[in-house]
Amino acid sequence: DSGVTQTPKHLITATGQRVTLRCSPRSGDLSVYWYQQSLDQGLQFLIQYYNGEERAKGNILERFSAQQFPDLHSELNLSSLELGDSALYFCASSVGTSGRWEQFFGPGTRLTVL
Amino acid sequence: GENVEQHPSTLSVQEGDSAVIKCTYSDSASNYFPWYKQELGKGPQLIIDIRSNVGEKKDQRIAVTLNKTAKHFSLHITETQPEDSAVYFCAPRESSGSARQLTFGSGTQLTVLP
Repeated sequence: DSGVTQTPKHLITATGQRVTLRCSPRSGDLSVYWYQQSLDQGLQFLIQYYNGEERAKGNILERFSAQQFPDLHSELNLSSLELGDSALYFCASSVGTSGRWEQFFGPGTRLTVL
Repeated sequence: GENVEQHPSTLSVQEGDSAVIKCTYSDSASNYFPWYKQELGKGPQLIIDIRSNVGEKKDQRIAVTLNKTAKHFSLHITETQPEDSAVYFCAPRESSGSARQLTFGSGTQLTVLP
């Protein structure tokens, strides 16, 4: 158990809908990362927050957004969902922002768009 | 950005045999070289890492070797066991400086046959 929690574990929804994925980082970690894992794209970095502020952006679509709240939990919002958005979404957390800090991954949320 | 290639994409070995997975990277500034293991239904977990001032690191049955000149590093698993079956990812990066995200290799599905 990494100490990172994600809810829900599974999510099934229809095209055009909007969903919110939630992540609670390990106690003491200030940095939260979101990743998308699909069969054809592998593990792709989406976005990083540190202590409430956006720090780095990867291959995140404009239909997707995220935020980190004062209690440090984070939410990833996916809107106007398409079939291709079906994937595993992972959250990871680390103490700091730089690459020398180990990232701890949560168990993921499996999103299925029908 | 970092261009990462990982080989092979799939690997099957008999229990007790050794397994080797290779990761090639492009960014000469990379100085931190971790390997992650992802078991079915779980998020990636760091299993071993090496920094650029070291050529080899061992932890029981697993080891990582680094060739900075050739820009590749490898994961070695000896005396493989069925519980080693998983997907393994490399994620080289430059550890100092500002926020950095992980660029993952495409993954290697290791199957240990009993």
